[in-house]
Amino acid sequence: EAQVTQNPRYLITVTGKKLTVTCSQNMNHEYMSWYRQDPGLGLRQIYYSMNVEVTDKGDVPEGYKVSRKEKRNFPLILESPSPNQTSLYFCASSLSSRGRSYNSPLHFGNGTRLTVT
Amino acid sequence: AQKITQTQPGMFVQEKEAVTLDCTYDTSDQSYGLFWYKQPSSGEMIFLIYQGSYDEQNATEGRYSLNFQKARKSANLVISASQLGDSAMYFCAMREMNTGNQFYFGTGTSLTVIP
Repeated sequence: EAQVTQNPRYLITVTGKKLTVTCSQNMNHEYMSWYRQDPGLGLRQIYYSMNVEVTDKGDVPEGYKVSRKEKRNFPLILESPSPNQTSLYFCASSLSSRGRSYNSPLHFGNGTRLTVT
Repeated sequence: AQKITQTQPGMFVQEKEAVTLDCTYDTSDQSYGLFWYKQPSSGEMIFLIYQGSYDEQNATEGRYSLNFQKARKSANLVISASQLGDSAMYFCAMREMNTGNQFYFGTGTSLTVIP
């Protein structure tokens, strides 16, 4: 089954304790992205990746890191989480953003609800 | 400027009635795609429908249709014969060819279907 898998679904941690949220897709998509969702603010992009070893900042990158060493995986790293990073996080993937691929939808993982105390 | 604007934070509709969720967008690109997603209370994001900027016909997918008015830059989602299971958050999104690296999302509309 074609899917985006992110883990864990729920995570409670304390301020300053490094954590990684994993994301993997099996659709051979070039484009991958991370979003955070907060009430009233919709979805805000954290980082995105056009392909392996190509990543770039989205709208709210501060406090986050990503890497794209393999096409299928795109982990999100919080080196020193703070309470303002408490949020619902989504990983998503899509066909390449080149050419007419702008008509390709984003496929989302099931989300990770992160609480930082 | 906001790329995607959804002006209705919350909407109510009677079961079996139709409802329109508004979405306006801002782009100078000629080639772009418009998407609607549904987010039920369980949290997952479900892709509903797509409209391309060059599509002359409005997109339809079952009970969902997209009322695309290019000159007005609007892409409203119409849900016909509402069901209780349609209660959810709905997000409008756009992807531009020239900046294909980004999807732009609106802030969402919360739809409640009343029995």
